[in-house]
Amino acid sequence: QIQLVQSGPELKKPGESVKISCKASGYTFTDYAMHWVKQVPGKGLKWMGWINTYTGKPTYADDFKGRFVFSLEASASTANLQISNLKNEDTANVFCARWGYSSPFAYWGQGTLVTVSS
Amino acid sequence: DVVLTQTPVSLSVTLGDQASISCRSSQSLEYSDGYTYLEWYLQKPGQSPQLLIYEVSNRFSGVPDRFIGSGSGTDFTLKISRVEPEDLGVYYCFQATHDPYTFGAGTKLELK
Repeated sequence: QIQLVQSGPELKKPGESVKISCKASGYTFTDYAMHWVKQVPGKGLKWMGWINTYTGKPTYADDFKGRFVFSLEASASTANLQISNLKNEDTANVFCARWGYSSPFAYWGQGTLVTVSS
Repeated sequence: DVVLTQTPVSLSVTLGDQASISCRSSQSLEYSDGYTYLEWYLQKPGQSPQLLIYEVSNRFSGVPDRFIGSGSGTDFTLKISRVEPEDLGVYYCFQATHDPYTFGAGTKLELK
């Protein structure tokens, strides 16, 4: 069955970096784009951008340009999100989600809670 | 950026009632290929969102037929007939026609 399994919760200090992974299984990884979605605790969903898993080309929403990097380990069917120079406002649950035509975001990771606190 | 305005913000229902959620877009969501990329998701407490409806009115596999999506252009509606306990949570509309993709702010469906 199709699964997206994300790495565990992270507690970081302002200015540090974090890398979140999203391991896919049950399908051909390079056939579907991977998107990233942010959710501040108790708030709504915000689209961060996506990565073409075939070419590796990332696309970022404006609010996520600069400190955010989407990358792949295609041989491991894994998409990664790295956030550098963490700020308090980066505290959020971050989800990966698989995009497919006729199945947009039909599959989600369980979410990774990133907490930024001094 | 496209703004999706969901109403109401919260909806209190009795089990078995019908519920209706509106999603209005600041721009037409019809893409140049003729498709309209407006989706609906339900997020239950402590869970990841789940896909209910894609391209305005198509139910995803396994979604009960009491969920009905409709609309066109800038106005869209999700109707839930005969609300059941497992339908409670926050509903989001989402558009993937215009970059950047955007979510509505959510509608919380709760018991009266």
